[in-house]
Formats: sequence, C-alpha cells, structure tokens
Amino acid sequence: LAKTTQPISMDSYEGQEVNITCSHNNIATNDYITWYQQFPSQGPRFIIQGYKTKVTNEVASLFIPADRKSSTLSLPRVSLSDTAVYYCLVGGQSSARQLTFGSGTQLTVLP
Amino acid sequence: NAGVTQTPKFRILKIGQSMTLQCTQDMNHNYMYWYRQDPGMGLKLIYYSVGAGITDKGEVPNGYNVSRSTTEDFPLRLELAAPSQTSVYFCASRPGQGAASSPLHFGNGTRLTVT
Repeated sequence: LAKTTQPISMDSYEGQEVNITCSHNNIATNDYITWYQQFPSQGPRFIIQGYKTKVTNEVASLFIPADRKSSTLSLPRVSLSDTAVYYCLVGGQSSARQLTFGSGTQLTVLP
Repeated sequence: NAGVTQTPKFRILKIGQSMTLQCTQDMNHNYMYWYRQDPGMGLKLIYYSVGAGITDKGEVPNGYNVSRSTTEDFPLRLELAAPSQTSVYFCASRPGQGAASSPLHFGNGTRLTVT
C-alpha cells in the first residue's frame, strides 16, 4: 500500500494561491492520486483526481511530476470557506480494495 | 439519489453494550468501507467489502464486525463497547472493479460516545 506524507498544517491569506504537496514514494503503476477536502463534522468530499501530468477542474489543479512520487494540489485564490483538512489518497487497480488515508493537512485561511 | 446514508447520527453507549451502525448506499457500488476518525486525527480503515458476501479487515478491525448480505447495506457491529471506541464513524462507497479511478463517496458520519 502506498503511504503518503503531507505537511500537518498550512496558513494562508484570502486571495492567495495555496499549494499542498503530498509525497508517495512507493506509488504503484496503476495507482491514481485523489485529493479530498473535509470540513468539521462532515465526511471527506472529493476534490480532484489524476494519474500523471496536470489535471484541472473548477475548484483546483493537480500537478504530478513524471516520476509520480509526489503530487501538488493547487487552490487558486482561496477564501475563508476553504479552511479545511485536505487529504491525499493513493490507490487504484492494484490497491483498489484497501484505501488508507494519511494524516492530512489542516489549511487555515486568514482574512 | 440519497448517496451514502448512515444511521444513527449520534449515539451514547455504556461500556459493554453492543450496537450496530447502519450504512446503505443507492448507487449500486460494489466497494464499501468503514472508517473511524478520532478527534483531530485522520481516518483509519476498519473493514471493507468488495461485494456482497465478501469482507476483509483494514488497519484497525479489533472490536468490530461487519457483514455484507446485499450490495446496498454494510452494517458495522460493536459487540462490547469500550471507551477507546469513542469516535466518529464514516461509511464510504465506490463503484469498484473496472472503475478503479473513481473516488469515494462518504456518508455524514455517526458520532459515538462510550462512557
């Protein structure tokens, strides 16, 4: 199972771009990288998923280098409502059965 | 679609009591998961299932049991509640084989306190 490592916490100000990096050195060939957002008292919510290079949707971008041993979630122009815990999860065909979460990154957006 | 539904939302148990946390999904997903989340911590996988009749242990299975008699339902059983099981429990599902890149869909959780 691919283990992930993220910073425990990050602070930012409203309107800034935030980049959160996740390390996953033993990622398997078939593994995808998925990011989730969790607010207090709620279940995690899907943000973005990718396999390689760059993926962008309406809320975030995901950058994955060629060796796929890390990934970076980019949140453009954050607001106070982006304050949450962000989790990086690695899994796919070879590890589809067990999906284990890391410790997550607590992002605090300040006014 | 209701998605993943968990009941109850809250429960207080005395030490030694038993209870079942219910989880049902209406998306015809094959894979289902139970996680627990202690205050200020990440999610720990308790049990998972890849289809009806098939279950397997995750990272922290001790003190829990599960069953999967239908695709829709994946109940979690606590037989002898202990204070260490005070936590928030989340159920999740995803389509499964052939859709390995699909993300998890989570329920809203059950907050359990054992005193």
